[in-house]
Amino acid sequence: SQKIEQNSEALNIQEGKTATLTCNYTNYSPAYLQWYRQDPGRGPVFLLLIRENEKEKRKERLKVTFDTTLKQSLFHITASQPADSATYLCALAQSTGNQFYFGTGTSLTVIP
Amino acid sequence: NAGVMQNPRHLVRRRGQEARLRCSPMKGHSHVYWYRQLPEEGLKFMVYLQKENIIDESGMPKERFSAEFPKEGPSILRIQQVVRGDSAAYFCASSPPTGTGVNYGYTFGSGTRLTVV
Repeated sequence: SQKIEQNSEALNIQEGKTATLTCNYTNYSPAYLQWYRQDPGRGPVFLLLIRENEKEKRKERLKVTFDTTLKQSLFHITASQPADSATYLCALAQSTGNQFYFGTGTSLTVIP
Repeated sequence: NAGVMQNPRHLVRRRGQEARLRCSPMKGHSHVYWYRQLPEEGLKFMVYLQKENIIDESGMPKERFSAEFPKEGPSILRIQQVVRGDSAAYFCASSPPTGTGVNYGYTFGSGTRLTVV
C-alpha cells in the first residue's frame, strides 16, 4: 500500500505570508493527487485535484505542484489569512483504484 | 442543495451493542464511500458502494462490519458487537455517476463520531 508523509509538525505563519505544505509518498506513483481542508469536528472539504501528467494547478490563492520524480506534492496558500487555519490533507489514488490513501495532515495556523 | 448528510453526528454505544451509521449522498450522486478516521491517523478507506452494489470492500474488517446502499434510502454502515477499538470518526463521501471519486473531488459529510464505552 502507499505510504504518505506530510509535515509532521504544525505550521505557524504570519498573515499575508505564503504557506507551503509538503506531501511525500513512497511506492508507486499515483495517477491522481488531491488536497483537502479539514476543520475540527468537520468532514474534509475538497480543494484541488492534480493528475500525474500535470505539473501545476492553481485555484485562486491556492497552488499545487506535483513532481513524480521527487515523489512529492507541494501545496501553497498565498496571502494567507487567519481563516485559512485548518488541517490540510493530501490524498493519492491509482488510476485503476477506487480509494484514496490519505496522509495524516498538516495543521496550519495563520497568525494575525 | 443539501450536501452529504450523515446521522447521527455523535453515537455512544456500550461494548457488544450494534452501531448503525447513515449516509445520504448529495443529490445526483450515486457513488458512496465510507472512510474511518482514528485519532492521530489518516482517513482509511473502508468500502465503495453504488446503488444495491458493493463495488470494493477491501478496507472493511472481515468481521462485524457490513455496509449497504439500498435502492431507496440512505447508505448504512453497520457495526455489530462494537469494541472500544471501533471508537473513531466515520465519514461518508459521495461522487457523481459520471466519474468516481478518484478522478473527481469527493464531497464528504460531517461524519459520525462513535464512542464505545
